[in-house]
Amino acid sequence: AQSVTQLDSHVSVSEGTPVLLRCNYSSSYSPSLFWYVQHPNKGLQLLLKYTSAATLVKGINGFEAEFKKSETSFHLTKPSAHMSDAAEYFCVVSGGNQGGKLIFGQGTELSVKP
Amino acid sequence: DAGVIQSPRHEVTEMGQEVTLRCKPISGHDYLFWYRQTMMRGLELLIYFNNNVPIDDSGMPEDRFSAKMPNASFSTLKIQPSEPRDSAVYFCASSLITGNTIYFGEGSWLTVV
Repeated sequence: AQSVTQLDSHVSVSEGTPVLLRCNYSSSYSPSLFWYVQHPNKGLQLLLKYTSAATLVKGINGFEAEFKKSETSFHLTKPSAHMSDAAEYFCVVSGGNQGGKLIFGQGTELSVKP
Repeated sequence: DAGVIQSPRHEVTEMGQEVTLRCKPISGHDYLFWYRQTMMRGLELLIYFNNNVPIDDSGMPEDRFSAKMPNASFSTLKIQPSEPRDSAVYFCASSLITGNTIYFGEGSWLTVV
């Protein structure tokens, strides 16, 4: 079975400082991994995805994530936080015997202080 | 290209009433998903379809919930009778193939009083 664990339910950073949102996954197959972002009262938007190509994946708004098979991790980073980055972030795994469905982490709420 | 379209965006209904949520997936997508989001449980997959056929409905809470996909461009999620604990945001999503990016609608915000 596949699963995903987001290690922090809430992260707070100051504007202009780096962002690190941690995610570990479990999968018996080569997974597809995603990060989605949800702003307050909005739907979910894809930030980036990993599908067995380059292990460092670049997404929108300056975010990137690195797939580390040995650590079963897919952490999301950004060099410099912006106020508009404040949102809920979801790490997601898909593939293998799960058919087309996604398995979501519990989410990490990112707060950005001025 | 239009994204996933959901209606209604907001609905407030009384307990016991029937609720129907609607979804139009992205044209050409073979997979359609219904998710529910609450503060307590986060995002839960309720059911998903492949080529209009329900594949996995193990997430449907109980018999009060039903979902249909009569054709490739339309799906409904029905709750009958509704209860206050059904209050949540219901998301419809679609994707082209398994493992590929899933695109979400803006959600239907349901409040049952």
